[in-house]
Amino acid sequence: GENVEQHPSTLSVQEGDSAVIKCTYSDSASNYFPWYKQELGKRPQLIIDIRSNVGEKKDQRIAVTLNKTAKHFSLHITETQPEDSAVYFCAASKGGSSASKIIFGSGTRLSIRP
Amino acid sequence: GAGVSQSPSNKVTEKGKDVELRCDPISGHTALYWYRQSLGQGLEFLIYFQGNSAPDKSGLPSDRFSAERTGGSVSTLTIQRTQQEDSAVYLCASSVKRGAGTEAFFGQGTRLTVV
Repeated sequence: GENVEQHPSTLSVQEGDSAVIKCTYSDSASNYFPWYKQELGKRPQLIIDIRSNVGEKKDQRIAVTLNKTAKHFSLHITETQPEDSAVYFCAASKGGSSASKIIFGSGTRLSIRP
Repeated sequence: GAGVSQSPSNKVTEKGKDVELRCDPISGHTALYWYRQSLGQGLEFLIYFQGNSAPDKSGLPSDRFSAERTGGSVSTLTIQRTQQEDSAVYLCASSVKRGAGTEAFFGQGTRLTVV
């Protein structure tokens, strides 16, 4: 079945540096790739997504890239700040006439060092 | 209006007891998921409901775990004869088709502690 692998499992970066989280997926029919952020003690929430008809999408300090050929997608956070500390989950799903099953990666715990 | 609602928010139970966890999804969302999250860990998929289709139960860790979704809305996750290793946060999510993809909305979770 569909599988999403996420690396690294933990990441520590100096405040102001960049952070990159990478995911790979197995089902070539996947065409929607959301990223969720889970702050300590809170629920995961969608922060950005990318569809298979684009290669990159940016939203302020956050960008996502997608390589459909290699079945890779990545989250890039620039100029990291303390509030970026959280667990980040990538996910993949397929389009269709109704909501399709979302497959989540195992998560990356990002820590920002002051 | 409201988001995904789970109850109770916290549950402490004695080992061997049965527990029921409830999830009220967002109205109109056809898909519903249950996940388990141990402290500092990722999302462990348990079960997935999609409309009237047979649920995907492939993530349930043992036959002590079961879930149902009545009328395509509210879902209940039941854990029988609870064990200490069942202690975790149980998250429910419902999802909706959003453009070409699907967006999931999570509840606040139920923190289960088995003593």
